[in-house]
Amino acid sequence: RKEVEQDPGPFNVPEGATVAFNCTYSNSASQSFFWYRQDCRKEPKLLMSVYSSGNEDGRFTAQLNRASQYISLLIRDSKLSDSATYLCVVNTPYGGSQGNLIFGKGTKLSVKP
Amino acid sequence: DTEVTQTPKHLVMGMTNKKSLKCEQHMGHRAMYWYKQKAKKPPELMFVYSYEKLSINESVPSRFSPECPNSSLLNLHLHALQPEDSALYLCASSQDSLAGVLPYEQYFGPGTRLTVT
Repeated sequence: RKEVEQDPGPFNVPEGATVAFNCTYSNSASQSFFWYRQDCRKEPKLLMSVYSSGNEDGRFTAQLNRASQYISLLIRDSKLSDSATYLCVVNTPYGGSQGNLIFGKGTKLSVKP
Repeated sequence: DTEVTQTPKHLVMGMTNKKSLKCEQHMGHRAMYWYKQKAKKPPELMFVYSYEKLSINESVPSRFSPECPNSSLLNLHLHALQPEDSALYLCASSQDSLAGVLPYEQYFGPGTRLTVT
């Protein structure tokens, strides 16, 4: 099982749609979870951190299910500017430290007019 | 709007050249990272510096040589690269991730797009 798995997409949705991304992780000791977005030929930018049972920021809601080792990102009322690749990122502890971040392969979203 | 800067934005170099990539952050972070990203792939971790000391080297070939002159600066020295080393090189920084403390969010610079000919 890969460390962080995401549906590669692409997801093609009309403006105003609600879209959900899913992510699973393999290391049950992971404790920090993030969603980044990356535009074409740009750097990844932090979208949301997910530290507890989930959190919301405007149109974006992130959920964490530790029992199932599953993270989700929901985008409501999608905008053209939401078009990007969404990266699920999880820490991988090792050697007694909290380790480093492991990136999923990303899910590409295209929002059409 | 990023507080992590990288120079140059683009670099083309031959396989016998020596060049350096530079990264600077102004957020007071004590951990800095180099990543390599190929097209349509996620970033791959290369090196981690924590409090100006190299803490992780992800089995990177010696033709890549990192350097951390101070807590704000991170360099990546390149020598005798191969065409397959062409990629986007990303620098990131975060508050340090100490043992027992949850890792903090990493903030990325805009990257250097490297082409090796």
